[in-house]
Amino acid sequence: RKEVEQDPGPFNVPEGATVAFNCTYSNSASQSFFWYRQDCRKEPKLLMSVYSSGNEDGRFTAQLNRASQYISLLIRDSKLSDSATYLCAVNIPIGYSSASKIIFGSGTRLSIRP
Amino acid sequence: EAGVAQSPRYKIIEKRQSVAFWCNPISGHATLYWYQQILGQGPKLLIQFQNNGVVDDSQLPKDRFSAERLKGVDSTLKIQPAKLEDSAVYLCASSLDDQVYSNQPQHFGDGTRLSIL
Repeated sequence: RKEVEQDPGPFNVPEGATVAFNCTYSNSASQSFFWYRQDCRKEPKLLMSVYSSGNEDGRFTAQLNRASQYISLLIRDSKLSDSATYLCAVNIPIGYSSASKIIFGSGTRLSIRP
Repeated sequence: EAGVAQSPRYKIIEKRQSVAFWCNPISGHATLYWYQQILGQGPKLLIQFQNNGVVDDSQLPKDRFSAERLKGVDSTLKIQPAKLEDSAVYLCASSLDDQVYSNQPQHFGDGTRLSIL
């Protein structure tokens, strides 16, 4: 099983729609979770961290479900400018140390049509 | 705040040649990461430094890839000799630390796009 898995999409939705992505992770000891946005031929940019209680930033809502080991990203009232690849990232503890590494999913492509 | 700096932006070489990439992280960031991103895939961690020490290099093809961060600030990643399958974008990222509970996000540089002919 991959450490971090995402549905690659593509998701093709009309402007104004609500769209949701999930990302599953395999290591129950993971503590930090992030969503990144990556535009074509650009570097990933942090969209939001995901907190245990869930968090919202404007039209974006992120949730964490520890029991089922997945995080989700909900985009409401989608805009043309939301078209991008969305990457989830999860930290994986390294051995028995206090350090961790961040592993990315393969990304979900989102295309918003007018 | 200055971001993560990488150079060069683009590099084209022939297979079996060598290439080096440079990265300067955000000031004060102790953790530096090198990722390889092949078209259509997510970034794959190659090596992670905490200050000048290697924390994880389990996915680094050590027969051809090497990296160093001698003074705990900037870093270089080298490929020698290059193979066709090394064509990818090489991303450098940094974060304040890499502790499991600190929830520190990564900040990425623009990346180096490498093409092997």
